[in-house]
Amino acid sequence: DTEVTQTPKHLVMGMTNKKSLKCEQHMGHRAMYWYKQKAKKPPELMFVYSYEKLSINESVPSRFSPECPNSSLLNLHLHALQPEDSALYLCASSQQQSRDSPLHFGNGTRLTVT
Amino acid sequence: GIQVEQSPPDLILQEGANSTLRCNFSDSVNNLQWFHQNPWGQLINLFYIPSGTKQNGRLSATTVATERYSLLYISSSQTTDSGVYFCAVRRYNQGGKLIFGQGTELSVKP
Repeated sequence: DTEVTQTPKHLVMGMTNKKSLKCEQHMGHRAMYWYKQKAKKPPELMFVYSYEKLSINESVPSRFSPECPNSSLLNLHLHALQPEDSALYLCASSQQQSRDSPLHFGNGTRLTVT
Repeated sequence: GIQVEQSPPDLILQEGANSTLRCNFSDSVNNLQWFHQNPWGQLINLFYIPSGTKQNGRLSATTVATERYSLLYISSSQTTDSGVYFCAVRRYNQGGKLIFGQGTELSVKP
């Protein structure tokens, strides 16, 4: 179930670095999602894009900046992160945001902030 | 918002045993999915099952939407079944957000 591709698999960054996480799908899905997962916890929604427009921002700090350059790509730009932002970041996609269809998740990027 | 409760929180099985995992949700939903997260963090779709019963090999799932619960059955468990099983639900009038339960951590011993 890896039709959603995330890069990189692992990322270590300092608190002053700027980095980006990338997500790609070629299933023709028009809704894409970022989730954050801490150890021993369920995934928590961060952002939803629908037809390349930001639809939901779950009060995420501005040091996380999402971008959807086209219907297949979703980025998450990271800047001035804190050690507590270390987590597994999961991207997902679905046919549409509010429609009878499942979400498909990528394998995640494991982020460590030092 | 919707509350999703999974039970049991932890489960230890001997290889070959059967098990039932439960997911209760507090309101009507449009979508329900079961996932398996393996020890490497991969979140694998098991079932998309807003209602009814589905089977896939040794796994099957039943959702009774009117009574707001879903069950995941694992038969003849194998060590590769170990990991965390999540139930997640969506309501379209809440932006289609997928809300996860806390998960059931399964450990299958050889």
